[in-house]
Amino acid sequence: DVKVTQSSRYLVKRTGEKVFLECVQDMDHENMFWYRQDPGLGLRLIYFSYDVKMKEKGDIPEGYSVSREKKERFSLILESASTNQTSMYLCASSPGLAEGKNIQYFGAGTRLSVL
Amino acid sequence: GENVEQHPSTLSVQEGDSAVIKCTYSDSASNYFPWYKQELGKRPQLIIDIRSNVGEKKDQRIAVTLNKTAKHFSLHITETQPEDSAVYFCAAPNTPSSGSARQLTFGSGTQLTVLP
Repeated sequence: DVKVTQSSRYLVKRTGEKVFLECVQDMDHENMFWYRQDPGLGLRLIYFSYDVKMKEKGDIPEGYSVSREKKERFSLILESASTNQTSMYLCASSPGLAEGKNIQYFGAGTRLSVL
Repeated sequence: GENVEQHPSTLSVQEGDSAVIKCTYSDSASNYFPWYKQELGKRPQLIIDIRSNVGEKKDQRIAVTLNKTAKHFSLHITETQPEDSAVYFCAAPNTPSSGSARQLTFGSGTQLTVLP
């Protein structure tokens, strides 16, 4: 059974703080993703990674960066948190690229509040 | 990139009735269309998917249909039950200029409420 674990379920930070959201998967998946989920906007891709140290921007990368030093771990970084980054953040992983391999498995989410 | 539109945003049905959620996509090369269900407070989970070489796929009370010509696909839930209440997301592959369709573009979601 695939397990995608996000380090925190709830997080409260102050404006201007540096914030780290951590995600770990235990199935040796190639691809990992960070989304933010806001009401009425669905799941919007922030960044994804298809290999260690590789990353690609998604639809809304501004204000975020990522790090993938090990295959199983993908971190989302808010360099200077702002109130408009208050949201639910979801991490996901998928096995590979070939057809049938882009099923995504999600973590439980981190609800971040920036005050 | 891919653009996915999902309708309706909210849907209420009586228990036992059917529910239909529709999505359109823009990239005619897209060949894989999953549906995810997110129950309140839980993570999204894949419930069914369809590939472009078939027009319909069923799994018990849920089915997905695909019309490649019109570039739309739909989720059908029959004999709805209270536990079907959730947010449903459709998705389609997003093939960026690098050519690798690793990403999915998600629809905006449909909140389905099944009334007892």
